[in-house]
Amino acid sequence: KAGVTQTPRYLIKTRGQQVTLSCSPISGHRSVSWYQQTPGQGLQFLFEYFSETQRNKGNFPGRFSGRQFSNSRSEMNVSTLELGDSALYLCASSLVGRETQYFGPGTRLLVL
Amino acid sequence: DAKTTQPPSMDCAEGRAANLPCNHSTISGNEYVYWYRQIHSQGPQYIIHGLKNNETNEMASLIITEDRKSSTLILPHATLRDTAVYYCIVRVVVTNDYKLSFGAGTTVTVRA
Repeated sequence: KAGVTQTPRYLIKTRGQQVTLSCSPISGHRSVSWYQQTPGQGLQFLFEYFSETQRNKGNFPGRFSGRQFSNSRSEMNVSTLELGDSALYLCASSLVGRETQYFGPGTRLLVL
Repeated sequence: DAKTTQPPSMDCAEGRAANLPCNHSTISGNEYVYWYRQIHSQGPQYIIHGLKNNETNEMASLIITEDRKSSTLILPHATLRDTAVYYCIVRVVVTNDYKLSFGAGTTVTVRA
């Protein structure tokens, strides 16, 4: 089976812009979670989707949003980018959420 | 989820076994112990998980103490490619909260 894929792998944006990141889960997996990783804060949970519904949400401002499509693919959007949003954004998938999560390679976002 | 305590770093000689300790003294009966690793700038890789019995797979062995307050991940024959940050996570899986809570992990350096 193919693993979790994320696009793009690298992205450079400027402050105030918005960005959309994409995640394709492992075939058959219906739960998709997003995490942000920065050197200072480590890995932090953003949100989790299942059957096109957000089930869990971490402590991030409303500028961070996501959605999931009927084929389980997910996107996350960050609006009005700030310098502090520079991070590695990771997506993880699992069958329905409670099982082992498998991570993608991540999208590295740099905000200038 | 229960918190975990891991040493910040450890070195290991190539070809030798690497024993990575993790303390989770507040673990509850329905929390699993998960191990992931993250090679520099890549997404975390699932290694192994267990509830109370020792587990072994092609990557590693997991030894959980009888009182479940600590565990050890064993990499039987460490190679240079095992150099990574190793995360020990305890997680309830019968719940509606599916996020993984990552700590700082142990930076393992395998030396030739």
